[in-house]
Amino acid sequence: SQQGEEDPQALSIQEGENATMNCSYKTSINNLQWYRQNSGRGLVHLILIRSNEREKHSGRLRVTLDTSKKSSSLLITASRAADTASYFCATASTNFGNEKLTFGTGTRLTIIP
Amino acid sequence: NAGVMQNPRHLVRRRGQEARLRCSPMKGHSHVYWYRQLPEEGLKFMVYLQKENIIDESGMPKERFSAEFPKEGPSILRIQQVVRGDSAAYFCASSSDRGGEQFFGPGTRLTVL
Repeated sequence: SQQGEEDPQALSIQEGENATMNCSYKTSINNLQWYRQNSGRGLVHLILIRSNEREKHSGRLRVTLDTSKKSSSLLITASRAADTASYFCATASTNFGNEKLTFGTGTRLTIIP
Repeated sequence: NAGVMQNPRHLVRRRGQEARLRCSPMKGHSHVYWYRQLPEEGLKFMVYLQKENIIDESGMPKERFSAEFPKEGPSILRIQQVVRGDSAAYFCASSSDRGGEQFFGPGTRLTVL
């Protein structure tokens, strides 16, 4: 298995509900980042959490990081149809530095109107 | 402020031809990263460059692939003698400093016939 695996692979929820996605990784990290990718488009940076942080908020997004379990979660509250996209976690390893991001395979989120 | 620009957005090549992908970083950014995304997968790091220097090319295939970031002009990812397995989306990102937040371009979708 690879560094940065998201769980679940696909998630469908009703508009207005909360969506939770998880990411696990293997090596020590400097930071962990979450990105959104709309179908056939580029990546949009959502949020960065550093290895010494446990939780971070940005609007309707809440990210947690547990370095002891090597895992992170992304919570999107009050989901909207426009949140439909693939979500990727990416880690910047202490071994390789911040320059080389390692991406997971992503969670495909579908918001049902 | 223009974001990271990539061109062409779509590129079709026949097996054995050359593909040249261009990336113009955000204004003021001197660090460029190339990633490849195969269908239904996450992004995989290929190479990290600063102006006129290749810093980390650990993700580049050993043959047929090369990258440059000249003093003037865009960064170029060059694939010689393309094969069907090279079909993918190629994303470029840039940052203002080493280890800084990476801003992604819209990608170039390469199709090899």
